[in-house]
Amino acid sequence: DAGVIQSPRHEVTEMGQEVTLRCKPISGHDYLFWYRQTMMRGLELLIYFNNNVPIDDSGMPEDRFSAKMPNASFSTLKIQPSEPRDSAVYFCASTPTGRKAPLHFGNGTRLTVT
Amino acid sequence: AQSVTQLGSHVSVSEGALVLLRCNYSSSVPPYLFWYVQYPNQGLQLLLKYTTGATLVKGINGFEAEFKKSETSFHLTKPSAHMSDAAEYFCAVSPNTGGFKTIFGAGTRLFVKA
Repeated sequence: DAGVIQSPRHEVTEMGQEVTLRCKPISGHDYLFWYRQTMMRGLELLIYFNNNVPIDDSGMPEDRFSAKMPNASFSTLKIQPSEPRDSAVYFCASTPTGRKAPLHFGNGTRLTVT
Repeated sequence: AQSVTQLGSHVSVSEGALVLLRCNYSSSVPPYLFWYVQYPNQGLQLLLKYTTGATLVKGINGFEAEFKKSETSFHLTKPSAHMSDAAEYFCAVSPNTGGFKTIFGAGTRLFVKA
C-alpha cells in the first residue's frame, strides 16, 4: 500500500496567486480529510468528505478556500487568491468507514506565500 | 463540544528514563481516543488507540496509554526513553456518535537527552 500521497511537497508562491494542493487517498478509504498545521493554531480540520461528498466544511477559513473530490482517488484543495497568512503545512488524511479507525496521513504540503 | 488538552508543550527526559505525556479530554460521552507521533517533515502516524474494552492499550515502539474515564484522561507512557523517540506527540479524540471530526491536542514535543 502506497499510503496517502500528496503533491507537491513544497510550494512557494506570491501573494495573489492561485495554489492547488493535491491528494490521493488510500484505496478503499471512504473518508478524506484536509487539515492545516501551523505553530499558532496547531492542527485544524478544514473539510472532510465521505464517498466523495463534502460533509463538513465549517473549518474552511474563507471563501478563498475551496476543496473538491471528483472521484474516490483524488482530491484538491485550492486557495485563490493566496495570502501570506495561508502559509502552513497542509495535510490530507484518509480512513476507512468507521469512527474507530485511525486517520492515515500523507506527508503534507508545505506552503509558503510571500 | 469536544476538546483535548495536552499538558506541557515540551517535555525533556534522559535516555532510559520514563516518558509520561499527559492528555485530558472533554466530551459529553467517552470518545474514541488516539495518540499519534509526528517526526520532522512527515505526517502523523498512529501510535495507539482506545475504542472499547481493556483500558490499558499498547502501541508501537513500546508505548502504552491508559484510559481513565473518571479522570477523563488518556496519558501516554513508555518505561524507557530512546533517542529515536524524540518527536512531537498528539493526542486526539473522535466522537462515537454524530460526525467524524477528529480533534487534536496542541501537541507535546519530546526531547531525549543522551
